[in-house]
Amino acid sequence: KAGVTQTPRYLIKTRGQQVTLSCSPISGHRSVSWYQQTPGQGLQFLFEYFSETQRNKGNFPGRFSGRQFSNSRSEMNVSTLELGDSALYLCASSLAGGYYEQYFGPGTRLTVT
Amino acid sequence: QKEVEQDPGPLSVPEGAIVSLNCTYSNSAFQYFMWYRQYSRKGPELLMYTYSSGNKEDGRFTAQVDKSSKYISLFIRDSQPSDSATYLCAISKNAGNMLTFGGGTRLMVKP
Repeated sequence: KAGVTQTPRYLIKTRGQQVTLSCSPISGHRSVSWYQQTPGQGLQFLFEYFSETQRNKGNFPGRFSGRQFSNSRSEMNVSTLELGDSALYLCASSLAGGYYEQYFGPGTRLTVT
Repeated sequence: QKEVEQDPGPLSVPEGAIVSLNCTYSNSAFQYFMWYRQYSRKGPELLMYTYSSGNKEDGRFTAQVDKSSKYISLFIRDSQPSDSATYLCAISKNAGNMLTFGGGTRLMVKP
């Protein structure tokens, strides 16, 4: 069974630009969560989507947004990039609500210059 | 104060040692407890999760939860060099997928 895939794996952007990251969950999984990982703040929850609806949201500014498609694939978008947005962005999928086994992808390393 | 505190290490042990990794949390509303392992340049991998206080064992790994003290532990028996990684505790308040992570402890097992 294929794991969670994320594209692209590495990305370099400049301040002020916007970026879109993609996540394909494990086949059959309907919940997708996004996390930001930085050396200073560690792993922080961004948001979760289930059946194309945002179910939970973390404490991030509105520049961070996401969506989920009918095939459960998800994208997250960051607009007006700042240097502090440089991080590893991780996507995790799970079967549905009430299941706690979240499987993480390898992440997308975003560098903002 | 962070909701979950975890000693960052690094923790260096000889091969075969018993390793103890710990986290404390501040809010008694947290009910679900997980341990993840993260190798360099990889995503976190779920090792164990538990809901209740007490011990849960899986092979060389034992997860322990003490809700009265708000303290969770992961024990690794017969540690191997391949166990060298960062270990992250994660907690959740409700039946959803919003996890709050500790900062991670870097473990090094020396042959």
